[in-house]
Amino acid sequence: EAQVTQNPRYLITVTGKKLTVTCSQNMNHEYMSWYRQDPGLGLRQIYYSMNVEVTDKGDVPEGYKVSRKEKRNFPLILESPSPNQTSLYFCASRSWDTEAFFGQGTRLTVV
Amino acid sequence: AQRVTQPEKLLSVFKGAPVELKCNYSYSGSPELFWYVQYSRQRLQLLLRHISRESIKGFTADLNKGETSFHLKKPFAQEEDSAMYYCALSGPNSGGSNYKLTFGKGTLLTVNP
Repeated sequence: EAQVTQNPRYLITVTGKKLTVTCSQNMNHEYMSWYRQDPGLGLRQIYYSMNVEVTDKGDVPEGYKVSRKEKRNFPLILESPSPNQTSLYFCASRSWDTEAFFGQGTRLTVV
Repeated sequence: AQRVTQPEKLLSVFKGAPVELKCNYSYSGSPELFWYVQYSRQRLQLLLRHISRESIKGFTADLNKGETSFHLKKPFAQEEDSAMYYCALSGPNSGGSNYKLTFGKGTLLTVNP
């Protein structure tokens, strides 16, 4: 089954404690991206990757890092999380001729 | 800069009534337009893609380049249509990537019995 898998689904952490949210896709898509979803703001792109070892900033990259060492994986790293990064995060992947497929979402709370 | 505007945050209709969710966009060139739906506590999933011209779950959307709109319509709303709906755009001018999706802020549709 074609899918994008994120882990964990829920995470509560404390300010400053580094964390990683994993994302994996099984569709051999070149393009992967991370979004955060906040009430009243919709989805905003954090980072994206065009292919292995090719990443770039989206609209709201501050406080986040990503890596793309393998085509299927695109982890999101918060080196020093802060409360304003409390949000619902979605990973997505697509190819040039497909729509975007989304993961189940990760609800992050930073206290 | 490209932009997607969904003017209604909330839309409430009764079962069986027609529904129209509005989407306007700003883009230089020929964009690709999408409607995504998010049911409660679930992931976003594609509802419609303008190039496919399909009708999914009774929904249709027509790209109007003159009015730069891509409104979503359904003649008879059902309770199971209650969800958050996002209009999105991508294209060659998408901030350095053809693949980037720019989303509107979403419209929460509630269909009352």
